[in-house]
Amino acid sequence: ETGVTQTPRHLVMGMTNKKSLKCEQHLGHNAMYWYKQSAKKPLELMFVYSLEERVENNSVPSRFSPECPNSSHLFLHLHTLQPEDSALYLCASSQGGRTDTQYFGPGTRLTVL
Amino acid sequence: DQQVKQNSPSLSVQEGRISILNCDYTNSMFDYFLWYKKYPAEGPTFLISISSIKDKNEDGRFTVFLNKSAKHLSLHIVPSQPGDSAVYFCAASETGANNLFFGTGTRLTVIP
Repeated sequence: ETGVTQTPRHLVMGMTNKKSLKCEQHLGHNAMYWYKQSAKKPLELMFVYSLEERVENNSVPSRFSPECPNSSHLFLHLHTLQPEDSALYLCASSQGGRTDTQYFGPGTRLTVL
Repeated sequence: DQQVKQNSPSLSVQEGRISILNCDYTNSMFDYFLWYKKYPAEGPTFLISISSIKDKNEDGRFTVFLNKSAKHLSLHIVPSQPGDSAVYFCAASETGANNLFFGTGTRLTVIP
């Protein structure tokens, strides 16, 4: 595998379910990101991890819980989501800071019923 | 309030002609700008970037122009090819920040 991979690619869940999104980067990067893309809205940064430490949390509701066990893996744990959380969730990684290009995974299309 | 705006949701261009995609920003602290391209069912892929110390950066058929006084950048694709049909996102950031601010994207269709 090369680049940034995300699983699952599609996920349908009920509001009471608990699920996790997984991201893996094979680029040797030090920083990883979660973004949310809702219809007709710009990509919104949710979380940033640098060297496995969370450095930014853009006021994301606690029903989204990130986990970064090592520099290659990033998870987004989901619980008691709302229908308005339905969106495309994109993971990205970069070598270092924001001046380094971010490489994106293909995304997980999430639908909350 | 959106700090990066792409006011044209779509653009159609004939193959071989020039495509010009525009982007405006409001934050004068932004000093690094990128263009990403996105095909359906794929994540955005990096295309080209420019630092605020430059006003032009060229890479093959792709050229990005930056007008700092107008807080405006544009992406020129020449000649346009059908494979360029995709959604193009403009993004911007400032020194010291981890955040990238994205526009809403412009869907480019290159007509054979």
